[in-house]
Amino acid sequence: GAVVSQHPSRVICKSGTSVKIECRSLDFQATTMFWYRQFPKQSLMLMATSNEGSKATYEQGVEKDKFLINHASLTLSTLTVTSAHPEDSSFYICSAGGTSGSDTQYFGPGTRLTVL
Amino acid sequence: RKEVEQDPGPFNVPEGATVAFNCTYSNSASQSFFWYRQDCRKEPKLLMSVYSSGNEDGRFTAQLNRASQYISLLIRDSKLSDSATYLCVVNIAFGNEKLTFGTGTRLTIIP
Repeated sequence: GAVVSQHPSRVICKSGTSVKIECRSLDFQATTMFWYRQFPKQSLMLMATSNEGSKATYEQGVEKDKFLINHASLTLSTLTVTSAHPEDSSFYICSAGGTSGSDTQYFGPGTRLTVL
Repeated sequence: RKEVEQDPGPFNVPEGATVAFNCTYSNSASQSFFWYRQDCRKEPKLLMSVYSSGNEDGRFTAQLNRASQYISLLIRDSKLSDSATYLCVVNIAFGNEKLTFGTGTRLTIIP
C-alpha cells in the first residue's frame, strides 16, 4: 500500500517553544492530507484538513493560529505547534489518500510530542 | 450522542476463541465503513472495509446493517497477534476523505 512518513517520530520540548512536524507521501501525490491528534485512551480526533496550495480547513475548536499547517507541495504537509504547552502533549498523526477522492486513508507512523 | 460509538472493552479472550465487536454510527447518510487496527503507540492500519453485503478476509468477517446503523467485526480462531485496539471508522460521503473514528475496542488474546 501507499506509504506515508512523519518526522520526527518523537519530540520533547520546553513549554513556549514551537515544534514542526512533517508529513510526506512517499510514493504518491496527495492534494489533501489530514492531521489528527490522539490523547491516551482516546480516539483519533481530526484537527484539520490540509489542502495543497490553499489554506487548511480546521475543525471546530482547533485554533488555526496555534496549529499552523502548510501544504506547499503534493507530497509534503507540515504542522507547526506554536508556543507549545504541556496540554499540547499528544500523539499527532497525519494521513493521506492514495487516490484523489478515495476514502482509503494511509496513516503516517505518528509523532509523539511531549511538552515539559 | 457520539458519531461513532464502540464498547471500549477490554475484551480478554483465550487464544483460539471467536470474538465479535459492534459499532454504531449516528449519521444515516454515512457511506463508507471501515475497521482499522491500532497497536499500542502506533498508527492505525486498515484492517478491512465493510460492505453492505458483508465481507470476509481470512479469519475476519465484517457486516454492515444500514437499517440499524451498526457494523460488526468477527474474529475467528483468534491469535495472540490479534491483540490490539480495533477502531470503527465511518466516512460520511463518497469522495470525501474525512474519517470519523470510534474510540476503539481493546482486545487482548490470552495464551
